[in-house]
Amino acid sequence: EPEVTQTPSHQVTQMGQEVILRCVPISNHLYFYWYRQILGQKVEFLVSFYNNEISEKSEIFDDQFSVERPDGSNFTLKIRSTKLEDSAMYFCASSRGLAGGRSETQYFGPGTRLLVL
Amino acid sequence: EDQVTQSPEALRLQEGESSSLNCSYTVSGLRGLFWYRQDPGKGPEFLFTLYSAGEEKEKERLKATLTKKESFLHITAPKPEDSATYLCAVPPRGSTLGRLYFGRGTQLTVWP
Repeated sequence: EPEVTQTPSHQVTQMGQEVILRCVPISNHLYFYWYRQILGQKVEFLVSFYNNEISEKSEIFDDQFSVERPDGSNFTLKIRSTKLEDSAMYFCASSRGLAGGRSETQYFGPGTRLLVL
Repeated sequence: EDQVTQSPEALRLQEGESSSLNCSYTVSGLRGLFWYRQDPGKGPEFLFTLYSAGEEKEKERLKATLTKKESFLHITAPKPEDSATYLCAVPPRGSTLGRLYFGRGTQLTVWP
């Protein structure tokens, strides 16, 4: 069964450093997403991506964040200058698309645990 | 303003003791309601998608139902391996591009 994969599973970085989180979405999916979950809190939407551009982004997704689909399979989230409060689990998700005004099911990866020291 | 509220926050059941989890939502023109299971330190695992009031979906010991204001996840004769956090998510009002708004979840513990 196809699944979303993410690397690395864990990342420790120093405050101010850049990190890149990687995801391989399900191969026939067209929409890609990043979410984050701070320990003990809700899963929060960061950004959605379709047709090589950002479709929607949340208030959290400020100028320090960027996303890219560098090739036909990978989808990346870059945090330019990490802050302590960026410590969280980051989840990538993908879906087939939006059909007739209905939201399609999003399938999530296992996550990358980011710790900023 | 919370658009998804889940209750209870935590639920402890003895193995075999059936119960229901609630997800109430305030979004009008619902374009889908999604149930996920999340184990500690893992990503949300898809369970069900519901689109219309009256719709029901079943999978093993789980059944999800939907009304115009809420959804229930019924767990019949649960086993310890059903212990997890169950999340409900909806596309928020005004979002047409796939964003999901998650509730805080119900942490279910099933003891033998």
